Amino acid sequence: GQSLEQPSEVTAVEGAIVQINCTYQTSGFYGLSWYQQHDGGAPTFLSYNALDGLEETGRFSSFLSRSDSYGYLLLQELQMKDSASYFCAWMDSSYKLIFGSGTRLLVRP
Amino acid sequence: DAGITQSPRHKVTETGTPVTLRCHQTENHRYMYWYRQDPGHGLRLIHYSYGVKDTDKGEVSDGYSVSRSKTEDFLLTLESATSSQTSVYFCAISDPGVGETQYFGPGTRLLVL
Repeated sequence: GQSLEQPSEVTAVEGAIVQINCTYQTSGFYGLSWYQQHDGGAPTFLSYNALDGLEETGRFSSFLSRSDSYGYLLLQELQMKDSASYFCAWMDSSYKLIFGSGTRLLVRP
Repeated sequence: DAGITQSPRHKVTETGTPVTLRCHQTENHRYMYWYRQDPGHGLRLIHYSYGVKDTDKGEVSDGYSVSRSKTEDFLLTLESATSSQTSVYFCAISDPGVGETQYFGPGTRLLVL
């Protein structure tokens, strides 16, 4: 079958670094995306990895290892506003996104 | 922000009633999607469209139909609403070749009593 696994909840301290992991079992894998969603809001695109390695966008970085079927989102210098849910999603061969069930990040002062 | 709106934003309806949700975009994006989001689940794809009159089913399409007669509008219809269709519905848009970057509408909260 096809699945995406990510932790349901992560807690971290303001100013710290947190890593949210995502493992997948899929066929026709084209890449891994990450989305952020604040409570009551719409998902917003953060990053996409089509190739192995690290992609950096400001305080956020995303990593992909196709050989390990594994990726992660790294958030640095955590701020209170980073408290949100984070979803990994893989893109299949029909350009559809299949989302994981999300990781709720709580940033504490 | 991508110009994408959804209407209505909130709706309460009764079981067995037909319901239509509208997604409207001003970005001229070719691809449009309908998702539902429930507690404990990520976003699950209901239907999607790759162009006018070109639609296909997603993973949770039972009980839903869609239509796309214009590039800018994508309608989702619940033919006969059931309580299991109580959910938050999101519309999204993207362009060919960058399907991993989807822009989402604000969502519609639907309660079926």
